[in-house]
Amino acid sequence: SQKIEQNSEALNIQEGKTATLTCNYTNYSPAYLQWYRQDPGRGPVFLLLIRENEKEKRKERLKVTFDTTLKQSLFHITASQPADSATYLCALDVKAAGNKLTFGGGTRVLVKP
Amino acid sequence: EAQVTQNPRYLITVTGKKLTVTCSQNMNHEYMSWYRQDPGLGLRQIYYSMNVEVTDKGDVPEGYKVSRKEKRNFPLILESPSPNQTSLYFCASSPGQGVYNSPLHFGNGTRLTVT
Repeated sequence: SQKIEQNSEALNIQEGKTATLTCNYTNYSPAYLQWYRQDPGRGPVFLLLIRENEKEKRKERLKVTFDTTLKQSLFHITASQPADSATYLCALDVKAAGNKLTFGGGTRVLVKP
Repeated sequence: EAQVTQNPRYLITVTGKKLTVTCSQNMNHEYMSWYRQDPGLGLRQIYYSMNVEVTDKGDVPEGYKVSRKEKRNFPLILESPSPNQTSLYFCASSPGQGVYNSPLHFGNGTRLTVT
């Protein structure tokens, strides 16, 4: 069956360090992968989109990689700040199953001052 | 301000009492979708719409209805709510015909409790 896996354990990290989150998928061949940020009680907010033919994408302190051979995406927050504390979700397009994004369960990040 | 607006934010109801959660977007987006979010299960798609009068089932459509009579509105209807529909619901929209190359814009959610 198709699966998207993110580490369900919270990631505790010291301010200033780099947080690295993983998104692994099986039995998909996504053309795009997206990352979202979700704060408690709020809707997810789009951060980055990376295409299957792109190895890496950056936006300010954020960096995403996409390895279609490993079926994995890594999401990095460099020089992390307490304001980066949130849950981060990865999402894949699933063309074969219709026009939709399928989300992973998310990883909670807590940046300590 | 560009946004997706859901109402109400919180709703407590009883089993079997029909309810509607409204969703409206002011970005002229063609694609709209409803998700529910439950602990341990993540975000799951209920229904989506690629344009006016075009709707389709997502992963968990049972017990829900939607309509898309106007581009900006995409209400979620629970004809006979049951306790297993207690959840946090999100409406989302996207420009273009789908999500392949476009991010989703989410509303702030509706927390529904069915007793």
